[in-house]
Amino acid sequence: EAQVTQNPRYLITVTGKKLTVTCSQNMNHEYMSWYRQDPGLGLRQIYYSMNVEVTDKGDVPEGYKVSRKEKRNFPLILESPSPNQTSLYFCASSFYSLASGELFFGEGSRLTVL
Amino acid sequence: LAKTTQPISMDSYEGQEVNITCSHNNIATNDYITWYQQFPSQGPRFIIQGYKTKVTNEVASLFIPADRKSSTLSLPRVSLSDTAVYYCLVGLRNSGNTPLVFGKGTRLSVIA
Repeated sequence: EAQVTQNPRYLITVTGKKLTVTCSQNMNHEYMSWYRQDPGLGLRQIYYSMNVEVTDKGDVPEGYKVSRKEKRNFPLILESPSPNQTSLYFCASSFYSLASGELFFGEGSRLTVL
Repeated sequence: LAKTTQPISMDSYEGQEVNITCSHNNIATNDYITWYQQFPSQGPRFIIQGYKTKVTNEVASLFIPADRKSSTLSLPRVSLSDTAVYYCLVGLRNSGNTPLVFGKGTRLSVIA
């Protein structure tokens, strides 16, 4: 089954404790991206990647890091989480070179930073 | 980046046609218009995409006027299960060069 898988789905952590949210897709997509969703603010893009070893900042990259060492994986790293990073996070992927512009989203990771 | 403006919320009764309009005054020549649907605690799901005039699929229709400064998502005969947030997204098809801006979406509530 074609899917984007995020882990963990739910996480409660404390300020300053490094954490990684993993994202994996099995559709051989070149393009992957991370979004955060907060009440009243819609979806905001954090980082995106056009392909392996190619990443770029989205609208709200501060406090986050990403890496793209393999095509299928695009982890989101919070080196020193703070309470303002409490949010619902979504990973998405799509083909870059084909006609369809459809983004496939994961089920989301709800993060709480105390 | 082409920013979008949508109504914050809409209400409709079951069985009615719903039209959600998105304004994108600074849309670029190469930009496409894409709509997504999102249910609570789920990731957005692709509905439809278009460049100009009209596009129709099994779920919805998308109307884009000649100046492309707005677009209208049309949902025929909505049901309770269509209650969701709908996002209008404007950008290059398969753009890897610029961020994709979703905006705040339109919350559609379908009433029995």
